[in-house]
Amino acid sequence: DQQVKQNSPSLSVQEGRISILNCDYTNSMFDYFLWYKKYPAEGPTFLISISSIKDKNEDGRFTVFLNKSAKHLSLHIVPSQPGDSAVYFCAATPNTGKLIFGQGTTLQVKP
Amino acid sequence: DAGVIQSPRHEVTEMGQEVTLRCKPISGHDYLFWYRQTMMRGLELLIYFNNNVPIDDSGMPEDRFSAKMPNASFSTLKIQPSEPRDSAVYFCASSPLYMNTEAFFGQGTRLTVV
Repeated sequence: DQQVKQNSPSLSVQEGRISILNCDYTNSMFDYFLWYKKYPAEGPTFLISISSIKDKNEDGRFTVFLNKSAKHLSLHIVPSQPGDSAVYFCAATPNTGKLIFGQGTTLQVKP
Repeated sequence: DAGVIQSPRHEVTEMGQEVTLRCKPISGHDYLFWYRQTMMRGLELLIYFNNNVPIDDSGMPEDRFSAKMPNASFSTLKIQPSEPRDSAVYFCASSPLYMNTEAFFGQGTRLTVV
C-alpha cells in the first residue's frame, strides 16, 4: 500500500525553465510534507518542507505547494539548473515521527 | 557532528549468508529509521525506533530481517539468510525528538547478494 505516490518516474527540462514535480498521498492524517534530493552514491538530503496549515512555502528557487483537498503537493524549481539534476523524493509524516517516502522522480536539466 | 554514519558502504555476499548493516545516528537524535531503496517502491521504510525502542516494524519484509538498537548511538539491520532479491541500497536516517522536522540520512550501504 503506497501511501505516498510519485507517478512520474522521470522528467526532463531545459536549463532556465521551470521544473514541476508532483506527489499524491492517500493518508489524511499526514500533516507535514517534505522534499528530498538525492545524487548518485549519496544519501538523500532535505530540500524543503511544508506544514498542512500552509498551502505554499518558498525557499529561493524552490517552492512547494500543498492542495489538501486533492491530497496533492508539488515542487517547483525556477529557474532550473543542470546541478538540479537528481532524484527527488516526496515524503510525508502523520506527526508521529514516522516518515514515509514516495518512489522518486528523476529530474534531468539539460544545458 | 559527522552526520549519520553507515558501514560498510558496499557489501557483496553469497546467498544464504548472514549480513549485518551498521548505523551510527547523529548524537542527540531520538528517532532512527532504516530504509531500503528500490526502483519500484522508492525509499521503503523498514523499521523505525524512538529512544532505542522499535515503534513500527511493519515494513520489515520477512522474518529474515531483524533490527536492533542496543543504545542511542548504534543500530544494526541483519538479514539471515540473505537472498539475491535483498540486493538494494539500505539507508539509515535519524531525526531529533521534536516533530515536523527533517531526517538526516547516511550515505547508504549497497548490498549485493549473489
